[in-house]
Amino acid sequence: NAGVTQTPKFQVLKTGQSMTLQCAQDMNHNSMYWYRQDPGMGLRLIYYSASEGTTDKGEVPNGYNVSRLNKREFSLRLESAAPSQTSVYFCASRPGGTDTQYFGPGTRLTVL
Amino acid sequence: GQQLNQSPQSMFIQEGEDVSMNCTSSSIFNTWLWYKQDPGEGPVLLIALYKAGELTSNGRLTAQFGITRKDSFLNISASIPSDVGIYFCAGTFYGSSNTGKLIFGQGTTLQVKP
Repeated sequence: NAGVTQTPKFQVLKTGQSMTLQCAQDMNHNSMYWYRQDPGMGLRLIYYSASEGTTDKGEVPNGYNVSRLNKREFSLRLESAAPSQTSVYFCASRPGGTDTQYFGPGTRLTVL
Repeated sequence: GQQLNQSPQSMFIQEGEDVSMNCTSSSIFNTWLWYKQDPGEGPVLLIALYKAGELTSNGRLTAQFGITRKDSFLNISASIPSDVGIYFCAGTFYGSSNTGKLIFGQGTTLQVKP
């Protein structure tokens, strides 16, 4: 039981490049979330998926897209990376009936 | 949007000391959660609180859900070096339906001197 896994662990992009961050959970959770973490600002919600087939914007969705591929996987895509998207990205999942979220180890992204 | 104010921002204490941190909001919250983040890792849940006035312990950690539902605190007793990390409060506010969307505080960075 691996919990929430994220790939890659580190990534460096040039401005304008695109990439997809992968997230998978093996806990059979319905809901999944993408956050970004910047120094002194806590975690901010980018997008979330309440269940397979649905996605909704969070607090900071601009510049990102998501895909809930199936119940296990929730990917985050940067179509044209900008330096302002340099951050640590966390994926999380949540079982039904609770507000507790379980986090992956994060992807550290630098955009030059 | 909703905001949580977490304080203090950072603490540098001696091993063995007790630690206290808190979070406040202008809005009513349904749930309060406390997470710890070790360097280079994702946040890990420490304590979850679901009812106003609830006081819950997890080893040397104790957290309370404020009576007004607008605040929560976390205490760590007899700190040890492995308590080092960033502590986050988080919660779901009243009116957020069943989305499970969490609002996070800015974090408290704890350093412990052996």
